[in-house]
Amino acid sequence: DVLMTQSPDSLAVSLGERATIHCKSSQSVFYNSNNKNYLAWYQQKAGQPPKLLIYWASTRESGVPDRFSGSGSGTDFTLTISSLQAEDVAVYYCQQYYTGPPTFGGGTKVEIK
Amino acid sequence: QVQLVQSGGEVKKPGASVKVHCKASGYTFTDYGISWVRQAPGRGLEWMGWISAFTGDTNYAQKFQGRVTMTTDTSTNSAYMEVRSLISDDTAVYFCARAPLVSGSSPSAYWGQGTLVTVTS
Repeated sequence: DVLMTQSPDSLAVSLGERATIHCKSSQSVFYNSNNKNYLAWYQQKAGQPPKLLIYWASTRESGVPDRFSGSGSGTDFTLTISSLQAEDVAVYYCQQYYTGPPTFGGGTKVEIK
Repeated sequence: QVQLVQSGGEVKKPGASVKVHCKASGYTFTDYGISWVRQAPGRGLEWMGWISAFTGDTNYAQKFQGRVTMTTDTSTNSAYMEVRSLISDDTAVYFCARAPLVSGSSPSAYWGQGTLVTVTS
């Protein structure tokens, strides 16, 4: 199975500041045939199911605020929240869906400083 | 609007079985599949498997092969997941999520609210 490693485990950011989360896969999740990275990001608030934020590494799901952006390719990816809002407090997960069973990173908890 | 509504929490003894129900609405059930994902308390997300609502084809994570059965009932737009021989490590919230028709390997935009299964003697 593809191992997904997120860093940091948690971070505290002031309101309005940038939050950056990293995700590394144990093998490339880039498919040459369609030039796509099979990488998604989810947000999970306490007591709720995950919410899909980004897929294909950088495509925002409909309705997701544009302060959320995804970047990266191959094995290294980043989720950036450009200006942290109070409602962004949550745990964020990356997921690869390139091969084998879909696998998730361990999660990054984002809090307000 | 697309909705997935799951059955309520369960408390089971070790060795027992549990069957979680996921009822879909707001879309054509047989145009999609259903994936199941679980989350142990305070832990991350673990994909368990997928079922096609059209063909009934399944794809289970190797870890759950032989202990988990996923089924659908197209007459009621429902999906079910049964876990047998429960152990304490199976204590988790179990989520269903809408998936593509032909594969469970795709991000899910629609999720059920989750069902807490507690395994305790």
